[in-house]
Amino acid sequence: AQKITQTQPGMFVQEKEAVTLDCTYDTSDQSYGLFWYKQPSSGEMIFLIYQGSYDEQNATEGRYSLNFQKARKSANLVISASQLGDSAMYFCAMRRPSGGYNKLIFGAGTRLAVHP
Amino acid sequence: DTGVSQDPRHKITKRGQNVTFRCDPISEHNRLYWYRQTLGQGPEFLTYFQNEAQLEKSRLLSDRFSAERPKGSFSTLEIQRTEQGDSAMYLCASSLSHGLNTEAFFGQGTRLTVV
Repeated sequence: AQKITQTQPGMFVQEKEAVTLDCTYDTSDQSYGLFWYKQPSSGEMIFLIYQGSYDEQNATEGRYSLNFQKARKSANLVISASQLGDSAMYFCAMRRPSGGYNKLIFGAGTRLAVHP
Repeated sequence: DTGVSQDPRHKITKRGQNVTFRCDPISEHNRLYWYRQTLGQGPEFLTYFQNEAQLEKSRLLSDRFSAERPKGSFSTLEIQRTEQGDSAMYLCASSLSHGLNTEAFFGQGTRLTVV
């Protein structure tokens, strides 16, 4: 079965420090895409970063980077220099070619709290 | 570009009543998705439209659920004879392109509470 696992229900980090949010995935597809979304209390899912399975370099977007280890099937999100506004739920998701790229499969999420 | 908008933001209904939610995608996006998110979980796929055609439905979408996208613009999700288990956040998303790296833009969701 295709699955996303986020083992950290909650994480705490001090403002200005870095934090890593874990994500492992399970798929038999060779080609797939991995996403991280942020969901603040307002409810909207905000796209953060994307990593393709054939991308040779780890993706980076500003303070966000993705530590992609294909052999271990992990795609951890690293947030550098945490800010109070980073407090939110974070979801790892996968899209596969099976079914025509029609849906994202999400993990259960990690709640991040940034302390001043 | 005002993003994906959903209406209402919150809905409280009595068990057995019918409810309808509306989603307005980003105007040029031809792909539209509905997801359901229960407390403490990530969103789960419900259904997908390409233009006005509903191309995929999850087995989560029971016979009491129906979704439409007339004219390939806004979409509605109707739940008939609501049950307490239907209480959840219903998220709509839209996208323009088709591919692994396609970014889906989400609305703020409709939170349904069935009492």
